Amino acid sequence: EPEVTQTPSHQVTQMGQEVILRCVPISNHLYFYWYRQILGQKVEFLVSFYNNEISEKSEIFDDQFSVERPDGSNFTLKIRSTKLEDSAMYFCASMGGRASYNEQFFGPGTRLTVL
Amino acid sequence: AQKVTQAQTEISVVEKEDVTLDCVYETRDTTYYLFWYKQPPSGELVFLIRRNSFDEQNEISGRYSWNFQKSTSSFNFTITASQVVDSAVYFCALSEAQGNNRLAFGKGNQVVVIP
Repeated sequence: EPEVTQTPSHQVTQMGQEVILRCVPISNHLYFYWYRQILGQKVEFLVSFYNNEISEKSEIFDDQFSVERPDGSNFTLKIRSTKLEDSAMYFCASMGGRASYNEQFFGPGTRLTVL
Repeated sequence: AQKVTQAQTEISVVEKEDVTLDCVYETRDTTYYLFWYKQPPSGELVFLIRRNSFDEQNEISGRYSWNFQKSTSSFNFTITASQVVDSAVYFCALSEAQGNNRLAFGKGNQVVVIP
């Protein structure tokens, strides 16, 4: 069964460093999402991406964040200069299309630790 | 704006007891989708169920059942005859048909099943 994959599973970085979190969505899906979950808290929407551009972003998704679909298969989230409060689990999700009843398929997550 | 409330934070039950998790939602959209996800200690999000706003039929899947009441904007989840493997955080989530289908999650219910 097709699935969303994410790499790495765990990333440790120093404050101020740039990180890139990678996701491979399900191959025929059209909509892509990033969510964040700070430890012990709820899952929060960051950004949605469709037709090679951002379709919606939350207030969390400030200028430090960017997303890209560089090669038609990967979907990346970049944090330019990490802060301690960026430590969280980051989930990528993809959805097939409007007829897919809004079902998003989640990857296993990348745990980001900023020291 | 979409909002999901899960008032109970941690619920402890003895194995074989039933447990019901409450979910109340808010939306201005007439077409929307409701979801429940399970997050075991390993951290991934496991999809349990999707229900659209036009389908108020309750559903049973094994030991899991869901009660959708549009009149009270609630989508409650019951685990019957709980088992230790049910210990996890359970999230209720909502997405609206309009817009970009982003999921709004509740804060989650930590379920602890005591053997």
